[in-house]
Amino acid sequence: QVQLQESGPGLVKPSETLSLTCTVSGGSISGYYWSWIRQPPGKGLEWIAYISYTGSTNYNPSLKSRVTISVDTSKNQFSLRLRSVTAADTAVYYCARDTDFDYWGQGTLVTVSS
Amino acid sequence: SYELTQPPSVSVSPGQTARITCSGDALPKQYGYWYQQKPGQAPVLVIYKDSERPSGIPERFSGSSSGTTVTLTISGVQTEDEADYYCQSPDSSGTRVFGGGTKLTVL
Repeated sequence: QVQLQESGPGLVKPSETLSLTCTVSGGSISGYYWSWIRQPPGKGLEWIAYISYTGSTNYNPSLKSRVTISVDTSKNQFSLRLRSVTAADTAVYYCARDTDFDYWGQGTLVTVSS
Repeated sequence: SYELTQPPSVSVSPGQTARITCSGDALPKQYGYWYQQKPGQAPVLVIYKDSERPSGIPERFSGSSSGTTVTLTISGVQTEDEADYYCQSPDSSGTRVFGGGTKLTVL
C-alpha cells in the first residue's frame, strides 16, 4: 500500500520560503507524476504543481512565479519550495499521487506568521 | 483561468439519491474525478475517469458525464456520506483544477 508523508516546518515567517518534503513509501516514485495541493482553513482545494519521476513539471499559473517542485528518486521523495510567503499562504499542504490523486498524505498545516 | 463550477450545498434525507454536478468547458475532452473529504481528513478518491470506482468505494457511489458536466450520484445516501465533495479535471494545458466543493448534508 502506497503511503505519503509530508514533512517540514509548521511555522514560516512572512517573506520567507516555505519548504516541504513528501516521502513515498510502499511503492516506487518512478513511473508516476506527483503533486502538491493545499487547502486554506475553511476553504477549498488548490492544486499547486506536479512533477514526474523524470523531472517534468507543471505549475499552477497563479503560483508559478513563486514555486519550485523537485524530485529525488534515490530517496523516493519530492519537494516543494514556495518563496515570499504571506498570510494568504497559510494552509494545510497535501502531497498526492497524480493523475488520479488516488493516494494522499495526511496533510501538514503551515502557518505564515511573524 | 479555467474553472469548474459546483453547487455550494446539497441536502438529502437518508436513503434518498444525491446528485452533485460539476461544470467546465473542457470536460467533454478531459476526464472528471471526484473526492470525498470529511472534517480533519485528507480527501479520498471516490470516482476516477468520469465513472470508474476505486476498490473499496461502496457501489452506491457512481459517476457520469454528459457534455460540459460530470455528475456524482450517491444512491441510498447514508449518514456517513455527509462530507465535502470536490470535482477535479485538468485544463487543456494539463493544469489540474478543482471545483469549489459541495457540502453534502444528510438531514
